Amino acid sequence: EVQLVETGGGLVQPGRSLKLSCVASGFTFNNYWMSWTRQAPGKGLEWVASITNSGGSTYYPDSVKGRFTISRDNAQNTLYLQMNSLRSEDTATYYCTRDRIIRGTGYYVMDAWGQGASVTVSS
Amino acid sequence: EIVLTQSPTTMAASPGEKVTLNCLASSSVSYMNWYQQKSGASPKLWIYGTSNLASGVPNRFSGSGSGTSYSLTISSMEAEDVATYYCLQLSSYPLTFGSGTKLEIK
Repeated sequence: EVQLVETGGGLVQPGRSLKLSCVASGFTFNNYWMSWTRQAPGKGLEWVASITNSGGSTYYPDSVKGRFTISRDNAQNTLYLQMNSLRSEDTATYYCTRDRIIRGTGYYVMDAWGQGASVTVSS
Repeated sequence: EIVLTQSPTTMAASPGEKVTLNCLASSSVSYMNWYQQKSGASPKLWIYGTSNLASGVPNRFSGSGSGTSYSLTISSMEAEDVATYYCLQLSSYPLTFGSGTKLEIK
């Protein structure tokens, strides 16, 4: 069974840093791209970052570029999100996702989601 | 950035009623994925590649569309379909989600 378990959330002051972790199990971690997506309280979903299976390439939207860093440790089956210079608008539940291309179709999907880690940025 | 506009924002349907949710893209995309999120739960992949149902999705659901216009249809609304549905485009970065359609039952 595919499992993604996020940890590291909590209350942090504006301008400070926080690092989220996502431990993966039930699949061969180093075969898959991974992503982080967030959801502010009562709001919709927002993609935050993606990383290739080797970790060699990363992608971000402008809203977090230069502040957030996605990384992975394939030996530990763990995905990370380092969040610096946090702002109140970064308050959200952060989901780790497994990404893949459906075999034979070319369609890219985020097909497994963790339970989410809650991050609150407030003084 | 490709902006996805979902409509309606909220809707209520009676059991057995046909439901259509829409997702309009600001630029053409190759395909659309849809996610279902129930209250207090993580999103689930629901439809991928515009019209393919994810594993375990009831066949009363269907997806269609091309270019800038996509839709998710429920042929006969059931109570278990109450949820918020999001479209997601992965044709170009940044990846973008629609703002969601909250589906309720009458």
